[in-house]
Amino acid sequence: QKEVEQNSGPLSVPEGAIASLNCTYSDRGSQSFFWYRQYSGKSPELIMSIYSNGDKEDGRFTAQLNKASQYVSLLIRDSQPSDSATYLCAVNTYNAGNMLTFGGGTRLMVKP
Amino acid sequence: DADVTQTPRNRITKTGKRIMLECSQTKGHDRMYWYRQDPGLGLRLIYYSFDVKDINKGEISDGYSVSRQAQAKFSLSLESAIPNQTALYFCATRTGDNYGYTFGSGTRLTVV
Repeated sequence: QKEVEQNSGPLSVPEGAIASLNCTYSDRGSQSFFWYRQYSGKSPELIMSIYSNGDKEDGRFTAQLNKASQYVSLLIRDSQPSDSATYLCAVNTYNAGNMLTFGGGTRLMVKP
Repeated sequence: DADVTQTPRNRITKTGKRIMLECSQTKGHDRMYWYRQDPGLGLRLIYYSFDVKDINKGEISDGYSVSRQAQAKFSLSLESAIPNQTALYFCATRTGDNYGYTFGSGTRLTVV
């Protein structure tokens, strides 16, 4: 079992819709969670961090964390074609020496 | 100027050649990392360093070596490049456990 799992996609949504990206993790002791956006051939860019159960909103982005169920999600409201990218979930994994463990990423396609 | 700078941006080299990828940062972070990214395999940790005197192997360190010349500089070397080291390489920095990584712009390496 991978430590951080994401559906690879592609997830296709129409422009203006809500895109929902999900991530599960295996290390129950994890305390810090991050979402990165990566355009093709570019470096990952940090867009959200979340540490407590519940929702955290930043503009069109909402991160959701449920530690009991060991999942973290990212909602993108009013999706735009410029949101088309691969979204990486990263979890601070204490079992791995406090490294960030990355999921394989979900490719999002927003169609005009 | 970028906070984390990688050089070169692109490099084509021949099998058996020694090559060095360089990373420098202006963020003042102690922690530095080298990752490689391959399609379908995600980001994999090669080496990491928590300070100048602390160097640690990651999950795929074979065939690679590193040097932490200063707090701000962390270089990755391929002693004898082979074609399956063709990948996108990222340097990253981090200030602490509850913070995400800041990535450099990446080096696209092709070994022919």
